[in-house]
Amino acid sequence: DGGITQSPKYLFRKEGQNVTLSCEQNLNHDAMYWYRQDPGQGLRLIYYSQIVNDFQKGDIAEGYSVSREKKESFPLTVTSAQKNPTAFYLCASSASNTGELFFGEGSRLTVL
Amino acid sequence: GEDVEQSLFLSVREGDSSVINCTYTDSSSTYLYWYKQEPGAGLQLLTYIFSNMDMKQDQRLTVLLNKKDKHLSLRIADTQTGDSAIYFCAEIPQLSGGSYIPTFGRGTSLIVHP
Repeated sequence: DGGITQSPKYLFRKEGQNVTLSCEQNLNHDAMYWYRQDPGQGLRLIYYSQIVNDFQKGDIAEGYSVSREKKESFPLTVTSAQKNPTAFYLCASSASNTGELFFGEGSRLTVL
Repeated sequence: GEDVEQSLFLSVREGDSSVINCTYTDSSSTYLYWYKQEPGAGLQLLTYIFSNMDMKQDQRLTVLLNKKDKHLSLRIADTQTGDSAIYFCAEIPQLSGGSYIPTFGRGTSLIVHP
């Protein structure tokens, strides 16, 4: 079935460590997005990519990095520079003709 | 810049209708969406409306769009306990070059009680 797969579902990290969250889609979508969700704050855009080998910062990119080497994949690295990384992270993709977003099931990162 | 506003909570009795409201600011928005998020899961598209429409009905769901006031609402008829979730309003204006940068509201937590 077509869709977006995020992994891992749950991740624990010690302070000072970098972690990478995986996002893979087989929908043949050009655009992919990473959002952070905190209680009561809705979705905040971290990075987005409209095409392979190109990506742009969203509203809260500091402390995060991404790559888009393949159309299907858009991994997010949470670096040690991110001061408050504990959150629920959502990946999404969209087709270029409608803008409708399809979401993965999310990854919950907890920093110990 | 773009901003989407929603109330944070709504509590209704099972069987009643629920109305979730949203205001947006970008008049260039072509598509307006409602997403549903259940606990610990991603967002699922519930319904959408094109900006050239005033109303869209899909089974228990009715979407109303007032473009003049930039107001969008989602009505759920005969609300059930399974409708308890967070509902997000989103506008997705089309930028030049065909890019879409979605803007989401903070989400409305719908609580359905017996």
